[in-house]
Amino acid sequence: EDKVVQSPLSLVVHEGDTVTLNCSYEVTNFRSLLWYKQEKKAPTFLFMLTSSGIEKKSGRLSSILDKKELSSILNITATQTGDSAIYLCAVEIDYKLSFGAGTTVTVRA
Amino acid sequence: DAGVIQSPRHEVTEMGQEVTLRCKPISGHNSLFWYRQTMMRGLELLIYFNNNVPIDDSGMPEDRFSAKMPNASFSTLKIQPSEPRDSAVYFCASSSPTGATDTQYFGPGTRLTVL
Repeated sequence: EDKVVQSPLSLVVHEGDTVTLNCSYEVTNFRSLLWYKQEKKAPTFLFMLTSSGIEKKSGRLSSILDKKELSSILNITATQTGDSAIYLCAVEIDYKLSFGAGTTVTVRA
Repeated sequence: DAGVIQSPRHEVTEMGQEVTLRCKPISGHNSLFWYRQTMMRGLELLIYFNNNVPIDDSGMPEDRFSAKMPNASFSTLKIQPSEPRDSAVYFCASSSPTGATDTQYFGPGTRLTVL
């Protein structure tokens, strides 16, 4: 059975802190790993990673995939209250996305 | 671009009633996905359509659930009869003809409560 596990399940930080979220997977036919941000509505796409060791960056967010360790991390630097959300990791298997349970990040002012 | 449109946004019904959720994908997208999100199970794929044809419905929980896509611009997810354990947020997503997963756009969701 395909598994996508995220850790931690939740965390609370203060503005300006750096956050590191983890995603590990055990799947067959891995194609890519995706990160989504979900506020009080639909998930919105952040990154897609297919190659190991290549960092993707967007502003204060960055992510990297380690295919050897079957894992990925999502970093958020200089956090802001607007970063408060659930961060979802998903692994693409064929055409399907298999999602982890998510990490709830709360950024306090 | 209006994005993926779902209706209703909220639905409260009683156990045993029929529920129909609706989705209009982004124009030009040829793949459509229905997901269900709960605290216990997270975000799960229920069914996937490509060019209006159901390709994989292995995520549909049981026979009480059915989905149709009569044309490229409309899909429904029906639950009959509904049960309290069906309470969840149901998302519809669509993706572009390239099939690249990063182009899978989610609708705002329908929050279903079955009493």
